[in-house]
Amino acid sequence: GAGVSQTPSNKVTEKGKYVELRCDPISGHTALYWYRQSLGQGPEFLIYFQGTGAADDSGLPNDRFFAVRPEGSVSTLKIQRTERGDSAVYLCASSSWPGQGYNEQFFGPGTRLTVL
Amino acid sequence: DQQVKQNSPSLSVQEGRISILNCDYTNSMFDYFLWYKKYPAEGPTFLISISSIKDKNEDGRFTVFLNKSAKHLSLHIVPSQPGDSAVYFCAAHTGNNRKLIWGLGTSLAVNP
Repeated sequence: GAGVSQTPSNKVTEKGKYVELRCDPISGHTALYWYRQSLGQGPEFLIYFQGTGAADDSGLPNDRFFAVRPEGSVSTLKIQRTERGDSAVYLCASSSWPGQGYNEQFFGPGTRLTVL
Repeated sequence: DQQVKQNSPSLSVQEGRISILNCDYTNSMFDYFLWYKKYPAEGPTFLISISSIKDKNEDGRFTVFLNKSAKHLSLHIVPSQPGDSAVYFCAAHTGNNRKLIWGLGTSLAVNP
């Protein structure tokens, strides 16, 4: 079956612009996660969805960042008034974790965002 | 405050030898630890995990050891192969929290 897909693979934008990053999770996975990875760093948690609702958005850095998952499948991460510091690889992951055991998350290839 | 630490940014080993990647953590509430492998321009892929109630988990060439009193774990790869060359991340989560907390990664180079 298909893995997690993310579009676009690369996005270059100018400071102050609005961007949308899309994630298509593995079919049937109820949980969806967004992480951000800056150069030389590990992935940093942003938000996760259980179904359509954002179960934990504690990692969103400020109110310029917003994410939706209206039908419990595809998710869109939206960044308003982009800043140069937003430049990073944005990773999406999904899982079917039943709430017990380790939470194996399956990752997409990421979207590399560059803000000029 | 880095809750998961990988203090070696890089490691180089000869093909056929053992690779040992280390990870330390500060949060004693972590219940599960996971190792991920990442190639350039790809997302991380899951490698192996260990529960905090165990001290060893083995899967083929990969073994993870956990020393809970020292808050330390290590990933052993033996024998190492050139295809193992990648960045390895240590990650952890508590039992009731789904988000993974990650280390900075260790770049492993296995030389033929």
